[in-house]
Amino acid sequence: QVQLQESGPGLVKPSQTLSLTCTVSGGAVGSGAYYWSWIRQPPGKGLEWIGYIFYNGATYYTPSLKSRVTISLDKSKNQFSLKLTSMTAADTAVYYCARVATTVVDDLYYFDYWGQGTLVTVSS
Amino acid sequence: DIQMTQSPSSLSASVGDRVTITCRASQNIDSYLNWYQQKPGKAPKLLIYATFNLQSGVPSRFSASRSETDFTLTISSLQPEDFATYYCQQSYSSPLTFGGGTKVEIK
Repeated sequence: QVQLQESGPGLVKPSQTLSLTCTVSGGAVGSGAYYWSWIRQPPGKGLEWIGYIFYNGATYYTPSLKSRVTISLDKSKNQFSLKLTSMTAADTAVYYCARVATTVVDDLYYFDYWGQGTLVTVSS
Repeated sequence: DIQMTQSPSSLSASVGDRVTITCRASQNIDSYLNWYQQKPGKAPKLLIYATFNLQSGVPSRFSASRSETDFTLTISSLQPEDFATYYCQQSYSSPLTFGGGTKVEIK
């Protein structure tokens, strides 16, 4: 059974950098079969995809956050991480990590396993 | 970016009702459409991927269909555990985008 668990600070000051880690169990982040993603959800609002990383380190980010986001992989710890710089109140959200599976035939991506989420509040 | 528009944004229904939720894409996305269920305080759960395919363990009362850029999620007989918010998500092109959600409430 694949499990993902986010960890990191629950409170970040404006202008600081957010660092979150997702620890994966039941599957290897370096296996090459999946992508690994971050998604966020502001309180009471919908879901926003942030980006994902492949086992070879290739990354893909949503354009609106691309200048501030870095997703990285640590195969030795079976983890992947998110860094988001220049945090503002608009970045207050529950941050989820998720595994991205793909269909064999048409390379369709879907989020099949999710972490429980971690609330990050930006406030001084 | 491809915009995903869900309707209605909320609905009230009773146990046993047939419920239909619609998701419209702003352009062609072929069958690159997934559905998720989210309960309060919980992470989203994958229900259906690639328009029609039921994720393992998801009850057969959930089904989905497509007509060009319009996608539909149907719950054939609403159960108490189905009261939740449902999201569609396209993976036709980056950035991956979600619909705004449909909240299914108890009547």
